[in-house]
Amino acid sequence: IAGITQAPTSQILAAGRRMTLRCTQDMRHNAMYWYRQDLGLGLRLIHYSNTAGTTGKGEVPDGYSVSRANTDDFPLTLASAVPSQTSVYFCASSLQGNTEAFFGQGTRLTVV
Amino acid sequence: AQSVTQLGSHVSVSEGALVLLRCNYSSSVPPYLFWYVQYPNQGLQLLLKYTTGATLVKGINGFEAEFKKSETSFHLTKPAAHMSDAAEYFCAVSDIRDDKIIFGKGTRLHILP
Repeated sequence: IAGITQAPTSQILAAGRRMTLRCTQDMRHNAMYWYRQDLGLGLRLIHYSNTAGTTGKGEVPDGYSVSRANTDDFPLTLASAVPSQTSVYFCASSLQGNTEAFFGQGTRLTVV
Repeated sequence: AQSVTQLGSHVSVSEGALVLLRCNYSSSVPPYLFWYVQYPNQGLQLLLKYTTGATLVKGINGFEAEFKKSETSFHLTKPAAHMSDAAEYFCAVSDIRDDKIIFGKGTRLHILP
């Protein structure tokens, strides 16, 4: 079934540890995104990529990094996790940067 | 910079009543507008979108939205609410020159029996 796969689905992480959230899509979409969802704040864009080899910063990029080595994969890395990064993280993709986005099921991350 | 404002973080309507969820946008060029729905513990799915053409857009599950340029609005409506409509709804904006989609803070819709 075509779509977006995120892993893990949930994780409890000690503060200061490094963590990579994985995202893979099989729709051959050019653009991919990482959002975080927090109560009362909606979805906030962390980083995005319009095509393989390019990335851009969103609204809340600090503490996160991404890479886009190929079309299908867009991992999000927390170099040194902090409690304020406790959130639900959604990966999404779209054919182009301004067309409708398709979302994964999310990763629930708790930093303690 | 683009932005989206959703009026009301929580909206309650009775089953069978009209649903109206409000969205206003800010964009210096003609926008692309979207409504998404999120059911508990799930990702977001597209309800409907406006890019160009007809300003009244019909989506899934009986929802529709009208693009009103003069009011910079894209409100979501449904004539008669159903219990299964209880969810969180997000309005989002992009445009022809942009490379990302910006979301509003969401409105949680409660359906009263």
